[in-house]
Amino acid sequence: GAGVSQSPRYKVAKRGQDVALRCDPISGHVSLFWYQQALGQGPEFLTYFQNEAQLDKSGLPSDRFFAERPEGSVSTLKIQRTQQEDSAVYLCASTQPQGGQYEQYFGPGTRLTVT
Amino acid sequence: SQKIEQNSEALNIQEGKTATLTCNYTNYSPAYLQWYRQDPGRGPVFLLLIRENEKEKRKERLKVTFDTTLKQSLFHITASQPADSATYLCALSRGYSTLTFGKGTMLLVSP
Repeated sequence: GAGVSQSPRYKVAKRGQDVALRCDPISGHVSLFWYQQALGQGPEFLTYFQNEAQLDKSGLPSDRFFAERPEGSVSTLKIQRTQQEDSAVYLCASTQPQGGQYEQYFGPGTRLTVT
Repeated sequence: SQKIEQNSEALNIQEGKTATLTCNYTNYSPAYLQWYRQDPGRGPVFLLLIRENEKEKRKERLKVTFDTTLKQSLFHITASQPADSATYLCALSRGYSTLTFGKGTMLLVSP
């Protein structure tokens, strides 16, 4: 079946612009995670949804970052007034926590470059 | 604060040899430890999960050990192939929760 998809794959924004990144998780997956990955680093947690509820947003670096998943499927990560330090790959992952299956399925990521 | 350390430098080995990657952690008591593979321009792909009460887990050419006393996991790839060249990420969690990743170790297998 289809995996996790993300769009756009690449985004160039001028500093100060707003951007919206989309994630389509695997159909039926209850949980959805957003991670930020800087060059040469491992992914860092941003936020987590279970269905439409945002259960943890402790990793969001500032109030310029906002995520939503209104119908419990597709999720959008929005970054307002982008800054150069926001340049990174944004990864989305989904999982279905049944039977002790804790592995996460990642999308290809959106590479954001802020100029 | 939590800290996860993986081999800081890239690991270069010859085809057919066993690759061993290390993951050490501090200030953390994970219930689960996972290993992922990441190729350039792609998202991480799950390889293996080991629980805190398990010492070793195997899957085909892969083997993971987990020592909660030493706070260390070792990841082995036997009979390595050039196609195994990638970055390998160690990730910890306390259960069904977010993953905390290390920086990853780049493995290069030469023919």
